[in-house]
Amino acid sequence: AQTVTQSQPEMSVQEAETVTLSCTYDTSENNYYLFWYKQPPSRQMILVIRQEAYKQQNATENRFSVNFQKAAKSFSLKISDSQLGDTAMYFCAFMISFNAGGTSYGKLTFGQGTILTVHP
Amino acid sequence: DGGITQSPKYLFRKEGQNVTLSCEQNLNHDAMYWYRQDPGQGLRLIYYSQIVNDFQKGDIAEGYSVSREKKESFPLTVTSAQKNPTAFYLCASRGPGNSGNTIYFGEGSWLTVV
Repeated sequence: AQTVTQSQPEMSVQEAETVTLSCTYDTSENNYYLFWYKQPPSRQMILVIRQEAYKQQNATENRFSVNFQKAAKSFSLKISDSQLGDTAMYFCAFMISFNAGGTSYGKLTFGQGTILTVHP
Repeated sequence: DGGITQSPKYLFRKEGQNVTLSCEQNLNHDAMYWYRQDPGQGLRLIYYSQIVNDFQKGDIAEGYSVSREKKESFPLTVTSAQKNPTAFYLCASRGPGNSGNTIYFGEGSWLTVV
């Protein structure tokens, strides 16, 4: 079974500064996908960034980037130039995806989340 | 616009009642999922369906039931056997093939037992 651990229940950062959220996972699989989702007070789950395990290059999306360390099974999220709108719960998630008989299979396993507060 | 629509947004259930949460998607996605979220917690998988007329139990399926008669629809019934149903419920879907490695979510439904 796959597990995802987020060891920081809460984090805070000043506006315009940089913050890093931690995530570790456990799996015996070699091919998988990792995600960071953001959940603001509206409760909508918003995809922030995605990383394929077979890619060595770390994914980036504007102010968001990851530090993917496959051997250490670590997947941290760095938010640069933090904005007030970044205040939210952030979830790390893991998925194994495979095709069988023409059907694609996969399901997400989530960590417990980190509440990030950006202060003005 | 393409997306995932959940209804109702808020639902109140009396003790002993069954209630059904609706989830519809027009993304032409094969796979659909139901997750439950309790306050301050992560998401736990209730049921998922990879294709029409097929579905599997997730980690917390007891007290819930689903159907997948159409590709677009994956309703979740919360039965009276679910002893603590008050929670936020999220429906999600995933596309086929190489585009299917990301899961997208609806806006969620709040269920409260009164």
